[in-house]
Amino acid sequence: SQTIHQWPATLVQPVGSPLSLECTVEGTSNPNLYWYRQAAGRGLQLLFYSIGIDQISSEVPQNLSASRPQDRQFILSSKKLLLSDSGFYLCAWSVSGGGAADTQYFGPGTRLTVL
Amino acid sequence: AQSVAQPEDQVNVAEGNPLTVKCTYSVSGNPYLFWYVQYPNRGLQFLLKYITGDNLVKGSYGFEAEFNKSQTSFHLKKPSALVSDSALYFCAVRDQGTNAGKSTFGDGTTLTVKP
Repeated sequence: SQTIHQWPATLVQPVGSPLSLECTVEGTSNPNLYWYRQAAGRGLQLLFYSIGIDQISSEVPQNLSASRPQDRQFILSSKKLLLSDSGFYLCAWSVSGGGAADTQYFGPGTRLTVL
Repeated sequence: AQSVAQPEDQVNVAEGNPLTVKCTYSVSGNPYLFWYVQYPNRGLQFLLKYITGDNLVKGSYGFEAEFNKSQTSFHLKKPSALVSDSALYFCAVRDQGTNAGKSTFGDGTTLTVKP
């Protein structure tokens, strides 16, 4: 079966510091991968999605970037964190080559607090 | 463009009573519709989805949802609520023409089931 991992689970960082959040998926090959941010426990904002290595699309211009160094690894980064980057970051995957009907499966999330 | 609305921030029901969490959507083509549940500080868990066919979709934990094309709605229902159903519920929509499974999520509805 497929599983998705995120770490760290929680993170407290000062303003201006760098960020690296990691997401890995097991049990599937070449998944579609997604990064979402959830602010204040409410709606989800799609940040990045990837259909393959070195194929990453950004949905919202901002202080963050994403990379996919391996097939099942998706990393969210920032060079300098802002207070507004605080939130709950969720990684998700869906089946490779699937269409719009495919379900997205979410990881446990990372709670980021920028002070 | 696609959008989804969850008109109620909060739904309160008594244990054993039926529950309904409302969702309406807008897409330019035909929709794929999803419901997810989120427990505090956890990732989203998939409940059910509508692709095509029978308008009544059955999902996990006794939940079901009814697709109504004329009212552009996809309300989540359960005949008898449990206290453990208390959580944050998200509706999501995807236009059938969307690539890579990009979904639009509602802002969420907090369901509270009281004993």
